[in-house]
Amino acid sequence: GIQVEQSPPDLILQEGANSTLRCNFSDSVNNLQWFHQNPWGQLINLFYIPSGTKQNGRLSATTVATERYSLLYISSSQTTDSGVYFCAVETGGGNKLTFGTGTQLKVEL
Amino acid sequence: EPEVTQTPSHQVTQMGQEVILRCVPISNHLYFYWYRQILGQKVEFLVSFYNNEISEKSEIFDDQFSVERPDGSNFTLKIRSTKLEDSAMYFCASSAAGAYGYTFGSGTRLTVV
Repeated sequence: GIQVEQSPPDLILQEGANSTLRCNFSDSVNNLQWFHQNPWGQLINLFYIPSGTKQNGRLSATTVATERYSLLYISSSQTTDSGVYFCAVETGGGNKLTFGTGTQLKVEL
Repeated sequence: EPEVTQTPSHQVTQMGQEVILRCVPISNHLYFYWYRQILGQKVEFLVSFYNNEISEKSEIFDDQFSVERPDGSNFTLKIRSTKLEDSAMYFCASSAAGAYGYTFGSGTRLTVV
C-alpha cells in the first residue's frame, strides 16, 4: 500500500515563529487532506488540497502532486496551534484515507 | 456548523464483552467511515459504508467487527468479543461527495481491561 511519511516528527516553536511541515507520499493520489489533532484528541480538517495552494488565515498548504509531496505552512504560531498535524491521502475510488505518521507540534510562550 | 456526534466519549469494558460505538453522521452526507487510533500512533482506516453496505474494509476489520446503519441517522460499530489490543480511540467520519468535506467526530476512547 501507499506510504505516507511526515517530517519533522516533532517540532517545538516559540510563539510567533513560522514553520513548514512536510508530507511525502509514495504513489499517485486522488486527494490529500491536512488535519490538526488538538490536545483533546479531536481531528479538525484544515485543508482539502489534491493540488495547488490554499490559504486559510495563518495557515496555507501546497501540494505538488507530480512530485508527491505537500507542505503545510504555519505563520505567527500560537499556543493553540499545538497538537499533532496529519496529512492523509486517498487512493483508488473508495474514499479511504491513509494517514501519515504525523508531526507533533508544541508552541511555547 | 454541522458536526459528527459520537457516543459514548469514553467506555471501559472487560475483555470478551461486546461493545457498540455509536455515531450520528452529518445529515446530508452519504459516506460513512470508522477509523481507530491506538495511543500515540497514527490514525488507521477500518471500514467505509455507502448505500447501506460496506464499500471497503481494512485487514483490521475482521469478523469481530461489524457496522450497521439501523435507521436514517445512526451509524454503529460493534466489536463482538473485545480484546486488550482493541483499546484505542475510535473515530467516526462522514463525507458528502466522495472524500470532500470529510468530517470526523470527537471519538470514543475504548479501554479493554
